[in-house]
Amino acid sequence: EAGVAQSPRYKIIEKRQSVAFWCNPISGHATLYWYQQILGQGPKLLIQFQNNGVVDDSQLPKDRFSAERLKGVDSTLKIQPAKLEDSAVYLCASSLITKGRGRLTTNEKLFFGSGTQLSVL
Amino acid sequence: RKEVEQDPGPFNVPEGATVAFNCTYSNSASQSFFWYRQDCRKEPKLLMSVYSSGNEDGRFTAQLNRASQYISLLIRDSKLSDSATYLCVVKGNTGGFKTIFGAGTRLFVKA
Repeated sequence: EAGVAQSPRYKIIEKRQSVAFWCNPISGHATLYWYQQILGQGPKLLIQFQNNGVVDDSQLPKDRFSAERLKGVDSTLKIQPAKLEDSAVYLCASSLITKGRGRLTTNEKLFFGSGTQLSVL
Repeated sequence: RKEVEQDPGPFNVPEGATVAFNCTYSNSASQSFFWYRQDCRKEPKLLMSVYSSGNEDGRFTAQLNRASQYISLLIRDSKLSDSATYLCVVKGNTGGFKTIFGAGTRLFVKA
């Protein structure tokens, strides 16, 4: 089974430049997550999609970050303009939605991609 | 207060030791709990789910105390290969099942 694909693997940019990351989740996974992981910290949820709708983006810095998941499959995360503090690993994850006892529930397991390591100089 | 808090670590233990990690969460409505493992420069991977009745997987035992909003992970007979960061994860049961990670606890197992 193919895993979560992310690109690029590494990116180095100067502050105030723009950057975009791409994620292709596991086929059939309705829920897609973008996490930011700063060195030495745990992953911080930026945005969570269910199909092509946003279910949580409360920690997304919307003045500079944007994300979309057109057609409910691939997703892109953009930063414009980048700041030094955006240097981090950006992790994409996906999970299944299953239906049980008449209501939807997410599968417990998140599958992560290898991440994109961003360095802002 | 952070939504999920963990022992900061690092924990340095010899091979064969027993080590325990703790985690607390702030949202009493949280419904699902997990431990993930993250190796250096790798992505997190699910280690085990955590249930109120407690669950065990080989040398690993996880416990949940809903009244105290507390989760634990016990590792017995530590191996060198257990060296990693252990992330406590809490998921809600409403809306989009928001999944929150703790900052992680680093474990170093020495020969």
